[in-house]
Amino acid sequence: DTGVSQDPRHKITKRGQNVTFRCDPISEHNRLYWYRQTLGQGPEFLTYFQNEAQLEKSRLLSDRFSAERPKGSFSTLEIQRTEQGDSAMYLCASSKQGANEQFFGPGTRLTVL
Amino acid sequence: KNQVEQSPQSLIILEGKNCTLQCNYTVSPFSNLRWYKQDTGRGPVSLTIMTFSENTKSNGRYTATLDADTKQSSLHITASQLSDSASYICVVRALTGGGNKLTFGTGTQLKVEL
Repeated sequence: DTGVSQDPRHKITKRGQNVTFRCDPISEHNRLYWYRQTLGQGPEFLTYFQNEAQLEKSRLLSDRFSAERPKGSFSTLEIQRTEQGDSAMYLCASSKQGANEQFFGPGTRLTVL
Repeated sequence: KNQVEQSPQSLIILEGKNCTLQCNYTVSPFSNLRWYKQDTGRGPVSLTIMTFSENTKSNGRYTATLDADTKQSSLHITASQLSDSASYICVVRALTGGGNKLTFGTGTQLKVEL
C-alpha cells in the first residue's frame, strides 16, 4: 500500500454512460497525476495538478474527459459518453513538488460494454 | 521522441533461478531511471531509482544497473520467488517536459513457476 487510494477499484458500465473516479493522494503531496494503462502497455500520461491547478493535459484527454482537484486534495476524473475504447486501467499517482518519485494508487479498472 | 524499450516482452523461469530484464532508452536530457513492479490489477510500486551518477543499486533480491553512456539499464532478480511474478516496468524521467516528464516502457511480464 503506497498511501494513494482510488475508488472504485472496478467499474463496469454500458457504452454512452458517464463514469467518475476518485483519487486520494498522500496527504502532503501537492502534485497529482492521472494515467491510463491498457493491457500489455505502460501507463500513458493524461493530466496533472499542482495543488488545485490543472497544469497540463495530454492530447489523449479528449473533451469527453474532465479532471478536477477543487481543494488541492482529492481528485476526480470523469468520462462522459463512454466508448468501448475507454476500457482501461486508470491510475492515479502523487508526489511532492520537486521530488523524484511518484507513488501510484491501485488503479480503477474500467470496462465499457 | 523519447522512448523506452524493454526486453524480453515476457519471461517464464523456475522458482529459485535468477533472471535479468533489459531496458534501453532514448530519453534526453536524462534525469533518472526507475524500475517498478506491477502486480496484476494493481498500481506500479517502485523498486529502485538511479540518477546519472549511479551505476548500480540494490533492493533486496533486486539489483538494477545503469549505463548512462549507452542508455541501457538492467534489472537482475536473484533467487526468484513465486511472488516475483508480475510486470516490471522501466520508467525514465527527463529533466524537461513539464508535468509529463516520465516515459514508461511497456514492461516485461515475468512468471515464476514451481
